[in-house]
Amino acid sequence: RKEVEQDPGPFNVPEGATVAFNCTYSNSASQSFFWYRQDCRKEPKLLMSVYSSGNEDGRFTAQLNRASQYISLLIRDSKLSDSATYLCVVNGGAGSYQLTFGKGTKLSVIP
Amino acid sequence: GAVVSQHPSRVICKSGTSVKIECRSLDFQATTMFWYRQFPKQSLMLMATSNEGSKATYEQGVEKDKFLINHASLTLSTLTVTSAHPEDSSFYICSASAAGGRGRTWAQYFGPGTRLTVL
Repeated sequence: RKEVEQDPGPFNVPEGATVAFNCTYSNSASQSFFWYRQDCRKEPKLLMSVYSSGNEDGRFTAQLNRASQYISLLIRDSKLSDSATYLCVVNGGAGSYQLTFGKGTKLSVIP
Repeated sequence: GAVVSQHPSRVICKSGTSVKIECRSLDFQATTMFWYRQFPKQSLMLMATSNEGSKATYEQGVEKDKFLINHASLTLSTLTVTSAHPEDSSFYICSASAAGGRGRTWAQYFGPGTRLTVL
């Protein structure tokens, strides 16, 4: 089983649509969870951390289910600028600085 | 805050030469930095963990004598690809851990990457 698995995509959605990405992770010791976005031929950029209680940042909502080892990202009112690859990222456990990246899900928002 | 720079952004070199890539944390001190490699349409693969003042920890399958890492200060880590070959052509990205502030606890912040092409 892969350490971090994501929807393979690509997701092609119209502007204004709501889109959801899912992710599962295998390391039950993981303590920190993130969503990053990566534009083509660029470095990953932190989008948001994911907390057990769920958290929201503008149009973006992240959820974490530790029991199911499942993470989600919801994007509302999609913009053209949201087009990117979204990476699900988890750390290696308590006190670990190392991160494990999913392969990412590509999103294309269409006018 | 949490800005990481990387230099150079692009390198084209001949087979057999060595290439040095610098990674700097600009507005914070980074005890730990990471070096990744990413091939086209692949996920980021961790190569090594660079610790200030000590030897780097390499991931399985990464040759430490080929990919030399030096982390001489809290703001600078370097990766030297020695005797580069065409199969070393890739996108090399460094990152540094930074803590503090909601949503940023011990996240990693990435440099802009170095695209290496070995002819």
